[in-house]
This record gives sequence, structure tokens and C-alpha cells, in this order.
Amino acid sequence: QKEVEQDPGPLSVPEGAIVSLNCTYSNSAFQYFMWYRQYSRKGPELLMYTYSSGNKEDGRFTAQVDKSSKYISLFIRDSQPSDSATYLCAMRGAGNMLTFGGGTRLMVKP
Amino acid sequence: EPEVTQTPSHQVTQMGQEVILRCVPISNHLYFYWYRQILGQKVEFLVSFYNNEISEKSEIFDDQFSVERPDGSNFTLKIRSTKLEDSAMYFCASIGTGGNWAFFGQGTRLTVV
Repeated sequence: QKEVEQDPGPLSVPEGAIVSLNCTYSNSAFQYFMWYRQYSRKGPELLMYTYSSGNKEDGRFTAQVDKSSKYISLFIRDSQPSDSATYLCAMRGAGNMLTFGGGTRLMVKP
Repeated sequence: EPEVTQTPSHQVTQMGQEVILRCVPISNHLYFYWYRQILGQKVEFLVSFYNNEISEKSEIFDDQFSVERPDGSNFTLKIRSTKLEDSAMYFCASIGTGGNWAFFGQGTRLTVV
């Protein structure tokens, strides 16, 4: 079983839709959870950061963590064509090494 | 806005040659990392560096790899004898004191021919 699993997509939605992106993980030691956005051939750009279970909102983005289910989500409201990118979940335990999911490719069509 | 800077953006090298990838982390950051991403695959951890020494490394980071912080600003990754399978995007990242998330550079695309 992979440590972090993420549906690769592609996920295609119309502009204005609510997007739900998810990751599951197996390592119960993970405490810090991040979502990065990556455009083609560019570096990952941090979107959201959450510690332990709960919700966090920032503008159109909401991150949720359910440690009991080992499941994290990123919701994007009012999606825009500029949101089209690959979304990577990443997580770590007490150390600083990040473990990434494989990424979900999102396409928002005008 | 402060950013992590990587050079070169693209490096082509012949198999067996040595390459040095360079990074300038965000100033006052103390933790430095190299990750790589083979085309179409996930981002993979290579090594972390703190207080002038390696703090963690993955199985990928074998004897062919080394890291160095030669001065107060640069952080380098050296691959001694490149192999075809070393072709990938290499990302440098840094974390500041008290921070919990990594800022990534734009990457160096290494192509080994």
C-alpha cells in the first residue's frame, strides 16, 4: 500500500463549479498536511497548510483533515480556468521530510 | 515576496558526467531540502540539511549524490556520475525557523543523454 494515495484524474469541471480533491494515507504518524498547486514544469506552490484534524479556510479554498479516517480534502469554490493545474497533497510527521501524493490534474473549462 | 531560486533552469549532460545544481534558499531559512520529480511521477524526497549537515536522506540519495552549503547563501546538489535514470526535475526547498511548510524553487530540469 502506498503511503499517500491520490486519484491522478484528470478532473474536468465547468467554470464556477465546486471542486473536491482528496488524499488518503496510511501512516498514522503524519501530523502536518499541505496542499500544493503545480503548473506544468514548475515548482510546487503552497496553497494550504493544516495541523492535525479540522478545517481551514482561505478565500475560495478549504482544507479538511480527518485523522481518524486518514483522509484529507481540498475544496475549491467558484473554480476558475486559472485553477487548472495539478494539485499535490503532502504530509509529514515529526521530521521535516514531506511525503507527496501523486497529484490530481484539474481542468476548469470556461 | 521572498523566493527560492534555482539555477540553471535546464541542464543537459552526458551520462557519466558530474553535475552541480544550485539553489539560493530564502534568506534566514535554516532547513534545506532537495526533492526530485521524474516526468509523470510523484515528487520524491532526496535529502534534508540543517546546521551544515544532512539530517535525513532517502534511499535514492546514494553515494553518487552529495549536498553542500559552500557559503551563507548557496545550497548545492552534486551528482557525481550521472545515469540516464537521473533525468528529472530537481526541486530545492527551504523552511524557516518556526515554520512548518516548505517553499519550493521552480526547479532544474536535468536531462541525461
